[in-house]
Amino acid sequence: DQQVKQNSPSLSVQEGRISILNCDYTNSMFDYFLWYKKYPAEGPTFLISISSIKDKNEDGRFTVFLNKSAKHLSLHIVPSQPGDSAVYFCAAGLSGSARQLTFGSGTQLTVLP
Amino acid sequence: GAVVSQHPSRVICKSGTSVKIECRSLDFQATTMFWYRQFPKQSLMLMATSNEGSKATYEQGVEKDKFLINHASLTLSTLTVTSAHPEDSSFYICSARFPGRYEQYFGPGTRLTVT
Repeated sequence: DQQVKQNSPSLSVQEGRISILNCDYTNSMFDYFLWYKKYPAEGPTFLISISSIKDKNEDGRFTVFLNKSAKHLSLHIVPSQPGDSAVYFCAAGLSGSARQLTFGSGTQLTVLP
Repeated sequence: GAVVSQHPSRVICKSGTSVKIECRSLDFQATTMFWYRQFPKQSLMLMATSNEGSKATYEQGVEKDKFLINHASLTLSTLTVTSAHPEDSSFYICSARFPGRYEQYFGPGTRLTVT
């Protein structure tokens, strides 16, 4: 059972426009959410996170929105740049000593020049 | 900050041999490290959680006798793939977590090919 889902395997956006990546989760006990960016043959790079007590967190061109009632989060990138082309993973964490993360399946973002 | 290194980046070995992969947190102490495996076009699959000074916790379906994990210090965890077989060929990635935080910082990964 996938607890974290990214239903869009790919997304193409024109340079300069907004990219919106979506993520849904099923476990209401998740209390922390993160987005990672990954290039081929590299490890994921942490982008931005949000605690369940917030509904928005912004860092430069990246904003993460959390809708707890809908169990949905999204990552907005604006303006999109060709260098943003990568696979984006959302992840959710449970409190506890290990704080393991559960990852979605990823969305390949392609920003077209 | 938050740099994690992984060595080697690529390894090719013959079936039946063992391979050791090292994961180091370079600029912070990580009481908890994680080992993941990624198949082509798939998500990261957590294999095990490695805690400094104690036994690793393995996810369901991961053979602990095949994937040996040692977390001997606050900055080093190792994964040894014992008696490797072609089906063990994959991309292995480690991560390290700041104490008390959720964010994990990932190494660059190791491409293992078993011939």
